[in-house]
Amino acid sequence: DVVLTQSPLSLPVTLGQPASISCRSSQSLAYNDVNSFLDWFQQRPGQSPRRLIHGVSNRDSGVPDRFSGSGSGTDFTLKISRVEAEDVGVYYCMQYTHRPHTFGQGTKLEIK
Amino acid sequence: EVQVVESGGNLVQPGGSLRLSCAASGFSFSTFWMNWVRQAPGEGLEWVGNINPDGSGKSYVDSVKGRFTISRDNARNSVYLQMNSLRAEDTAMYYCAGWGSSRSYWGQGTLVTVSS
Repeated sequence: DVVLTQSPLSLPVTLGQPASISCRSSQSLAYNDVNSFLDWFQQRPGQSPRRLIHGVSNRDSGVPDRFSGSGSGTDFTLKISRVEAEDVGVYYCMQYTHRPHTFGQGTKLEIK
Repeated sequence: EVQVVESGGNLVQPGGSLRLSCAASGFSFSTFWMNWVRQAPGEGLEWVGNINPDGSGKSYVDSVKGRFTISRDNARNSVYLQMNSLRAEDTAMYYCAGWGSSRSYWGQGTLVTVSS
């Protein structure tokens, strides 16, 4: 199975400052050497997860534009341009290029 | 308004069975891949399996293959997870989620506890 390794696992951030989460894959996620199938999910405390980014860099409807995704092959990044209080939670990357789909272990974002 | 509601979670003994249900409304259910994702207490997310829009294609994580079966009824806007030969390590919150091209819809989860 594809292993996704996220870093850091804990991310203390000052309000208004940027944040970045890395997701590295044990295998290339490029499908037919073109698209990579990787999503990012957010899980706020006590809530169900929700998808933020699909297909590496496409924001889901209703997701603030301070969230952005990038990357290709085996290296992917989620960036938050200016962290707000509502961004506290755990962030997961997930690949669906290969079966079974697999999640990263999660990155816990907290406010300093 | 979009609603995704799971039900059927319970306390069950090892080796037992449960059937989880997920009822969806407010979106084009029959066009969505539907997924089951679980989360053990205090742990991260684990994809369990999914089913394609017309129900002809299913995929599972290795740890549940041969024990769990996903099905759907598009007329009832519902998806199901039949879980047999349950083990202690299947204890988790089980989420039903529909993933579309620009939106995803998740339920609040239903808790499955496998213990004697």
